[in-house]
Amino acid sequence: GAGVSQSPSNKVTEKGKDVELRCDPISGHTALYWYRQSLGQGLEFLIYFQGNSAPDKSGLPSDRFSAERTGGSVSTLTIQRTQQEDSAVYLCASSSTQGQRQFFGPGTRLTVL
Amino acid sequence: KQEVTQIPAALSVPEGENLVLNCSFTDSAIYNLQWFRQDPGKGLTSLLLIQSSQREQTSGRLNASLDKSSGRSTLYIAASQPGDSATYLCAVDTGNQFYFGTGTSLTVIP
Repeated sequence: GAGVSQSPSNKVTEKGKDVELRCDPISGHTALYWYRQSLGQGLEFLIYFQGNSAPDKSGLPSDRFSAERTGGSVSTLTIQRTQQEDSAVYLCASSSTQGQRQFFGPGTRLTVL
Repeated sequence: KQEVTQIPAALSVPEGENLVLNCSFTDSAIYNLQWFRQDPGKGLTSLLLIQSSQREQTSGRLNASLDKSSGRSTLYIAASQPGDSATYLCAVDTGNQFYFGTGTSLTVIP
């Protein structure tokens, strides 16, 4: 595609519900990254994929967070049993391969009530 | 753990002025350093990427330098314009982790 796309753009959910966020990287990009930006906070790295593999999952905030990537393209970030502190903008980026310039999507704004 | 600091946190300059933004990091074991800009309500735009073996990169009015041994990078913006107003972020890649600075909010006054 022309750029990185994310869906939904906005998500409001109730505490305790599960949510799934989707990222479509630029076509042909093998590396994909997930970040979150909480209100008034800096960007926090969550996880990255090279192909379908995530070498290091230690950036995920808790075991309620999981991510997968299939077919070397689309990735989903799943948050189980959402908490209010999960409210943030979740950003996805892709690059042609690891160590190259990252191109960001517009983000998904998650609000947990 | 890598810590990335950006100074100043905010900067206001008149149009046409040259300026320097600073980024420092605590662990010199990095693969690359990237500079981004973030416009309000929008995503991030990559400006420049410097590999650990490089000393600088240039794109138009932007020049970024990297001194890995001292843990510093600078972003030089020449002849600033109002359209340069944004938050500028640096980020270091340590291989499996990425660390962003807290950013410098730049305002260029017409």
